Amino acid sequence: DVKVTQSSRYLVKRTGEKVFLECVQDMDHENMFWYRQDPGLGLRLIYFSYDVKMKEKGDIPEGYSVSREKKERFSLILESASTNQTSMYLCASSLENQPQHFGDGTRLSIL
Amino acid sequence: AQSVAQPEDQVNVAEGNPLTVKCTYSVSGNPYLFWYVQYPNRGLQFLLKYITGDNLVKGSYGFEAEFNKSQTSFHLKKPSALVSDSALYFCAVRQYNFNKFYFGSGTKLNVKP
Repeated sequence: DVKVTQSSRYLVKRTGEKVFLECVQDMDHENMFWYRQDPGLGLRLIYFSYDVKMKEKGDIPEGYSVSREKKERFSLILESASTNQTSMYLCASSLENQPQHFGDGTRLSIL
Repeated sequence: AQSVAQPEDQVNVAEGNPLTVKCTYSVSGNPYLFWYVQYPNRGLQFLLKYITGDNLVKGSYGFEAEFNKSQTSFHLKKPSALVSDSALYFCAVRQYNFNKFYFGSGTKLNVKP
């Protein structure tokens, strides 16, 4: 069965810290995505990647970067965490023109 | 610009009654349309998709959705709601041959016994 694994379910960090969120998929999918989910705003795309070392900005990339060194792993980096980055972060992967498969999310709190 | 609208933040329905969760979209060219469900503290789970073909699409857990090109709508339906259907539902759209998905803001479905 399809599996997307996010390294942490809950994470608490301090403002100014560099934060790493990890996502691994075991389905050999080309495409991987990072979203943040906030009440009333739905899912907003931060970055996506369509191949190893390839990335494209989504709708809200400011304050974030990503890394995809291997096909199965897609990392989201908060360069200097701020309180307005407190949110639920969801990773997803997909094949071309197919539905996305999601991880269970990381609930990140920045204090 | 591409967008998805879910006009209702919340839908309340009694168990055993039919349910509808509404979705309208705006996208250039032929759309790929999806419905996802999210249970508390979980990621999104795929329910069904429309790519091409029949306008009525059947998916998981007895859900179906009707694609209406003239109204640019893709409403989610179920003939008889269950309490266990209570969850957050998201509509999503992507353009053909583009990897970017656009999600609606979500509709909370409450099914009361």
